[in-house]
Amino acid sequence: QVHLQESGPGLVKPSETLSLTCTVSGGSFSTYYWSWIRQPPGKGLEWIGYIYYTGSTNYNPSLKSRVTMSVDTSKNQFSLSLNSVTAADTAVYYCARVLVPPSWPMDVWGQGTTVTVSS
Amino acid sequence: DIQMTQSPSSVSASVGDRVTITCRASLGVGNWLAWYQQKPGKAPRLLIYAASSLQGGVPSRFSGSGSQREFTLTISSLQPEDFATYYCQQASQFPFTFGPGTKVDVK
Repeated sequence: QVHLQESGPGLVKPSETLSLTCTVSGGSFSTYYWSWIRQPPGKGLEWIGYIYYTGSTNYNPSLKSRVTMSVDTSKNQFSLSLNSVTAADTAVYYCARVLVPPSWPMDVWGQGTTVTVSS
Repeated sequence: DIQMTQSPSSVSASVGDRVTITCRASLGVGNWLAWYQQKPGKAPRLLIYAASSLQGGVPSRFSGSGSQREFTLTISSLQPEDFATYYCQQASQFPFTFGPGTKVDVK
């Protein structure tokens, strides 16, 4: 049973960098794509991007200038970095496993971690 | 970006009711559409992918249909555990985009 767990600071100051890690356990890390999705309080879901186990990435253009994703296959982890954060980046951040194209469904999700941007 | 809309935005229903949710895409997405269920304080759960393929472990009362720009999610007989918000998501073109959600609540 694959399990994903997000970790990272729950509070980030404006203009600083949000950094989160997702640890994958109980299943294969390689051969899958891995995504980040966020959900502002009371709002809908926004796809941030994905990273393949090889390190190749695809980011949402709306965030592309501020986002970096990385992968550590030795630890079965992938990470999200979002710089120059503002209050608009306050959200629950989810990591998810993405099945292969072309259907790309996100079939396993972490529980989510709340990140608040505030001074 | 492909814009996704859902209707209705909310629906009140009773246990045993048939519930249908519609999702429309601003451009054709083939059949690359997924449906997710989300309960308060929980992560989304994949129900349907490729428009009509039922994810493993999902009850057969959930079904999906449609193609290109119009899709439907049907719950054939609503159960107590089905009260939740449902999102569609297109996977035809990057960036992936979600619909705004449809909340199914108790009548």
